[in-house]
Amino acid sequence: DQQVKQNSPSLSVQEGRISILNCDYTNSMFDYFLWYKKYPAEGPTFLISISSIKDKNEDGRFTVFLNKSAKHLSLHIVPSQPGDSAVYFCAASGRAEKLVFGKGTKLTVNP
Amino acid sequence: ETGVTQSPTHLIKTRGQQVTLRCSSQSGHNTVSWYQQALGQGPQFIFQYYREEENGRGNFPPRFSGLQFPNYSSELNVNALELDDSALYLCASRDVRGPYEQYFGPGTRLTVT
Repeated sequence: DQQVKQNSPSLSVQEGRISILNCDYTNSMFDYFLWYKKYPAEGPTFLISISSIKDKNEDGRFTVFLNKSAKHLSLHIVPSQPGDSAVYFCAASGRAEKLVFGKGTKLTVNP
Repeated sequence: ETGVTQSPTHLIKTRGQQVTLRCSSQSGHNTVSWYQQALGQGPQFIFQYYREEENGRGNFPPRFSGLQFPNYSSELNVNALELDDSALYLCASRDVRGPYEQYFGPGTRLTVT
């Protein structure tokens, strides 16, 4: 039973355009959500997070939106850059603090 | 500030053998978690250590065990290796008093033949 789902295995966008990565979750006990970026042969790098008491968090080019009623969150990257090409993981956490990850979405930003 | 480090980088073992993986947490972090990432999957939580005790465990059998030391570094031990144990093993640390973000090391790639 996958509690965090990233239904798009891959996404391709043009440089300068917006990238939108989506994530759905099923467990209503999750109260903190995170996005990580992973390059090959490296560990996941923390990007941005959001608490369940908020519906938006912004950090530079990265914005995360949370829709609790739909159990859905999304990561917007604007403008997208070729260096953003990586696998992006959505993760969720409840009070137990362990992170539950989705399977990831491979983003390719074309010059 | 020193990030999370892991050793070794790569390891090849034979089915039935035992393996120990090591992790040094980021400076100032007192909680260490271990994750297994199989090919094409997201990381799966194995267990977490805080104050040298296991503080939460995922759906992994007892042959997966760990330790945390007074300096907050940690080991992951896997006994009786199986072919399906082949994966990237990730260590992550955080300060239990801080935000929920966990910071990951580069991982150890384990291959079981």
